[in-house]
Amino acid sequence: AQSVTQLDSHVSVSEGTPVLLRCNYSSSYSPSLFWYVQHPNKGLQLLLKYTSAATLVKGINGFEAEFKKSETSFHLTKPSAHMSDAAEYFCVVTQTGGYQKVTFGTGTKLQVIP
Amino acid sequence: DVKVTQSSRYLVKRTGEKVFLECVQDMDHENMFWYRQDPGLGLRLIYFSYDVKMKEKGDIPEGYSVSREKKERFSLILESASTNQTSMYLCASSLRGSLEHTEAFFGQGTRLTVV
Repeated sequence: AQSVTQLDSHVSVSEGTPVLLRCNYSSSYSPSLFWYVQHPNKGLQLLLKYTSAATLVKGINGFEAEFKKSETSFHLTKPSAHMSDAAEYFCVVTQTGGYQKVTFGTGTKLQVIP
Repeated sequence: DVKVTQSSRYLVKRTGEKVFLECVQDMDHENMFWYRQDPGLGLRLIYFSYDVKMKEKGDIPEGYSVSREKKERFSLILESASTNQTSMYLCASSLRGSLEHTEAFFGQGTRLTVV
């Protein structure tokens, strides 16, 4: 069984300040972890993905996430928010092997205040 | 680039109608998925398929069925549409790999309204 919990449904930051979107997961198997972004009226776009090669993962648009096995967390960060970052963000867990069922978190809406 | 195409962006159907949502992917992916997206609930998995003619129930299969006659096409069927099936429906596909951390690629979504 696997699950993912996004701890905040809404996050509001000022432009130019850091962003932190929190995600915790559970998985019976070795997990794959992803962050997706969805801008209004758009499809889902992959931001970054965790591979076992490195625990700190860099993605597009300046986002990063750190895989912490001991804390079962995969939080998304960005040093400085831009207005264009306003969107909904989904943390996703899949299991390697087998059917690779994909499980989504409930999403975090990021608001960026000018 | 991987392309996942959903046949309609917007649909309006009447209660009791049979509704077909079509999804096609062009990258020879083994896995295909149907989700619905509702505010505050994120994406919930309805059905997924890991091969032609194979299907598995997701978390909320009630009221839905699926068909996968060809590898590239995965159809979601609402046998008798109801107003509580008004939602955004998203199709996705991914490679099946035992060692690879492969991501899912998504279509643009179909916003279905049942009146």
